[in-house]
Amino acid sequence: GENVEQHPSTLSVQEGDSAVIKCTYSDSASNYFPWYKQELGKRPQLIIDIRSNVGEKKDQRIAVTLNKTAKHFSLHITETQPEDSAVYFCAASTGSGNTPLVFGKGTRLSVIA
Amino acid sequence: GAVVSQHPSWVICKSGTSVKIECRSLDFQATTMFWYRQFPKQSLMLMATSNEGSKATYEQGVEKDKFLINHASLTLSTLTVTSAHPEDSSFYICSVRGPTGSGNTIYFGEGSWLTVV
Repeated sequence: GENVEQHPSTLSVQEGDSAVIKCTYSDSASNYFPWYKQELGKRPQLIIDIRSNVGEKKDQRIAVTLNKTAKHFSLHITETQPEDSAVYFCAASTGSGNTPLVFGKGTRLSVIA
Repeated sequence: GAVVSQHPSWVICKSGTSVKIECRSLDFQATTMFWYRQFPKQSLMLMATSNEGSKATYEQGVEKDKFLINHASLTLSTLTVTSAHPEDSSFYICSVRGPTGSGNTIYFGEGSWLTVV
């Protein structure tokens, strides 16, 4: 089955700097790669996703890149703000109806004001 | 608005008792729902895939007789933690894949905090 590795496990950046989180996956059949932000005790919130037919997607300060050949995808947050502090999870899925998301272990991002 | 509703949000139970958690798909029918468990400071780990009208598919290491899953309708799946023990204390969360045409979007319930004392 799918295996998703995520790095780093913790990341501290100064406010205004950029943060990059990287994930790799093992199943070449995976074609859907979402990123979630989770605050303590709450459900994961989808912040951006990318499908295998594109290599990059951007939404304001957040961007995701995908390299299908290398089986890795990355989350980029620019101009970080204290409210970006949270745990971020990457995930991968084949996208069919009965296949679940497989999550990375998460990255705890701390943005220092 | 909410697409997936999960109840209860918080529950405390005594060791040896059973607890039922409900996951409802509000806006569309879901033949498949997924149940995850998340221990503090850890990732979401898939427990089982709930299939409407048939038996759930459990991940390796998850006891099917302890974590009973029932998906009796197209909008409701339930997870029952039987004979709960303190080590079962965790955050349980369900998810549903959106309907055809929504892309591959996955919707999560609010999650349920279970504390076994």
